[in-house]
Amino acid sequence: EAGVAQSPRYKIIEKRQSVAFWCNPISGHATLYWYQQILGQGPKLLIQFQNNGVVDDSQLPKDRFSAERLKGVDSTLKIQPAKLEDSAVYLCASSFDGNYGYTFGSGTRLTVV
Amino acid sequence: GENVEQHPSTLSVQEGDSAVIKCTYSDSASNYFPWYKQELGKGPQLIIDIRSNVGEKKDQRIAVTLNKTAKHFSLHITETQPEDSAVYFCAARIKAAGNKLTFGGGTRVLVKP
Repeated sequence: EAGVAQSPRYKIIEKRQSVAFWCNPISGHATLYWYQQILGQGPKLLIQFQNNGVVDDSQLPKDRFSAERLKGVDSTLKIQPAKLEDSAVYLCASSFDGNYGYTFGSGTRLTVV
Repeated sequence: GENVEQHPSTLSVQEGDSAVIKCTYSDSASNYFPWYKQELGKGPQLIIDIRSNVGEKKDQRIAVTLNKTAKHFSLHITETQPEDSAVYFCAARIKAAGNKLTFGGGTRVLVKP
């Protein structure tokens, strides 16, 4: 089966600019996650979707980050305005039912200068 | 919330030797413990997982043990090979908390030929 697709692979922006990341999960996977991985650390959950509904966004900095999964399939994560500390790899993962078997994409490496 | 601590942060072993990584978790309601391998420029890849009703699981050269009483679990890699060099992450999930995976800080493993 095809894996989790993410784009772009790399992005460099200046602080205060906006940026968007896209994720297409494995076909049929109802649960989709966005994680932030700062260099040298483990992934940290930003937001979790079940179909097109938000299950957990408690760690999402809502003043600058937003995410949507309108049709319950692919998802976009947006940052506006970006800060230097947002430099990280943004990982998307999906799971069939949210119980087991989380599959990660290759991530988008964001550099804010 | 869940907290996962992982040790050591770096591990250097000679090819053919064994490698052991240990994680502790804080919430006794955690019931699923996956291990991920992350190579440079790639997303985390699931290599083995264990559920709370099992004490040990093995898959070829990789094994995971779980001690629910002490709230810790370990990854064991035997007969290490250079291709085992990567960053390894443990994670814990609380089903009641919306199936959110919380990751440890990672262990950089270097297998010297």
